[in-house]
Amino acid sequence: GAGVSQTPSNKVTEKGKYVELRCDPISGHTALYWYRQSLGQGPEFLIYFQGTGAADDSGLPNDRFFAVRPEGSVSTLKIQRTERGDSAVYLCASSFRANTEAFFGQGTRLTVV
Amino acid sequence: AQSVTQLGSHVSVSEGALVLLRCNYSSSVPPYLFWYVQYPNQGLQLLLKYTTGATLVKGINGFEAEFKKSETSFHLTKPSAHMSDAAEYFCAVSPGGSYIPTFGRGTSLIVHP
Repeated sequence: GAGVSQTPSNKVTEKGKYVELRCDPISGHTALYWYRQSLGQGPEFLIYFQGTGAADDSGLPNDRFFAVRPEGSVSTLKIQRTERGDSAVYLCASSFRANTEAFFGQGTRLTVV
Repeated sequence: AQSVTQLGSHVSVSEGALVLLRCNYSSSVPPYLFWYVQYPNQGLQLLLKYTTGATLVKGINGFEAEFKKSETSFHLTKPSAHMSDAAEYFCAVSPGGSYIPTFGRGTSLIVHP
């Protein structure tokens, strides 16, 4: 597709469960970013990939959060032992290379009940 | 470290009136500054950005913003509001050379007929 694709668009899970959120970046984009947007807040940076490696993971809130990008394209954000406070919209963005404009997907709305 | 303050969580204007959305930033290094727009159920879209050079930057849909270093501001303006401008607007800052922005909390623009 032409844009950044995120699946699922909505995810409801029970507290304590494991979830995976997927991001398909724009083809050819080497940089990929994950953000989290809580209700009434601006997006909060989580992690940045350049190629397959995490160039900056300083925004991951704790060790329950992990992200991978094994082939330098699709990325998966993984959350273990989900908590109600993890409920938010998780945004993915990609850019052609580092330090160029990032394009955002529509996000995955995660609800932990 | 960088931070952004957006004054006013909601701004209401009449169609045809001036739009002014305020943003002040804090940055320990020369910043890059951004305005993003988020329409309902859509991803974030870059409106405009300041990196270097001319301090008055023009973006899409008739919006513009002026970087004022002395005031640490980057306010967004549009001479005449349209109904279609109703959306959430986010100001963001990154260290110069980086496109990993820190976002403000957002301002919801409401346009009345």
